[in-house]
Amino acid sequence: DGGITQSPKYLFRKEGQNVTLSCEQNLNHDAMYWYRQDPGQGLRLIYYSQIVNDFQKGDIAEGYSVSREKKESFPLTVTSAQKNPTAFYLCASSISNRGVNTEAFFGQGTRLTVV
Amino acid sequence: KQEVTQIPAALSVPEGENLVLNCSFTDSAIYNLQWFRQDPGKGLTSLLLIQSSQREQTSGRLNASLDKSSGRSTLYIAASQPGDSATYLCAVRGNTNAGKSTFGDGTTLTVKP
Repeated sequence: DGGITQSPKYLFRKEGQNVTLSCEQNLNHDAMYWYRQDPGQGLRLIYYSQIVNDFQKGDIAEGYSVSREKKESFPLTVTSAQKNPTAFYLCASSISNRGVNTEAFFGQGTRLTVV
Repeated sequence: KQEVTQIPAALSVPEGENLVLNCSFTDSAIYNLQWFRQDPGKGLTSLLLIQSSQREQTSGRLNASLDKSSGRSTLYIAASQPGDSATYLCAVRGNTNAGKSTFGDGTTLTVKP
C-alpha cells in the first residue's frame, strides 16, 4: 500500500536530549513537510523540502533540524534548543509544492513528550 | 501573511441534520484549498481539494465550495452520522511564499445519535 509512515507513534524525551522522528513515503512525491500541532490548534509548518538535498525553514524552525538525503525519507530532529517540544508532530507529502499537484497526504503522527 | 479562520470552533448536531462548516482566508492568491478530517490522536485524512480555478468539489455526502474573491470556503455535510464526529481542518496553499499551506484551527464536530 502506498502511503506515509511515521515512527515511532509515541516518543519520550528527557530534558537536554536530541531525538529524531522518522518519516518515510512510498508515493514518489517530491515535496515533504513537517508540522507541529498543539492541543486545540491548527498545524504550524516546521520545515519543508521541495526536492532531494534541498529544504527550507517554515514558520517555527528554531530548535529543529532536518535532512533530505533520499526522496522517500525526511527525518526531523528535535534538538535540546527547542524549549517546548511536547507536541504532536505530523509529516506530509505532495507531488509538488506548487501548482495543481499539491494535494497533501499525511502520516499518522508522532506524539512527543518531554519527561 | 495568510490567515485562516474556522468558525465555529465546535459544533454539536443531532444525527441526520445537514450542516455547514466555514473557512475564511485573507489572501486570495492561492493554488488550492484542502479540507481534512482528523480523529483524536490521529493524522489528517484528505476529504476534498478545490483548485483555485474551481468553484466546488463533491465526494459522497460532502460538498466543498470555494469563493476566492470573498476569501471563503464551506464544507457541507449532508445527513450527518455519528461517524462524522471529528475535527475538520481547512488548509490554504498560497501561490506566493513558496507555496506553503496555512491551516485553520479546525472545527470539532459532534454528531449525537
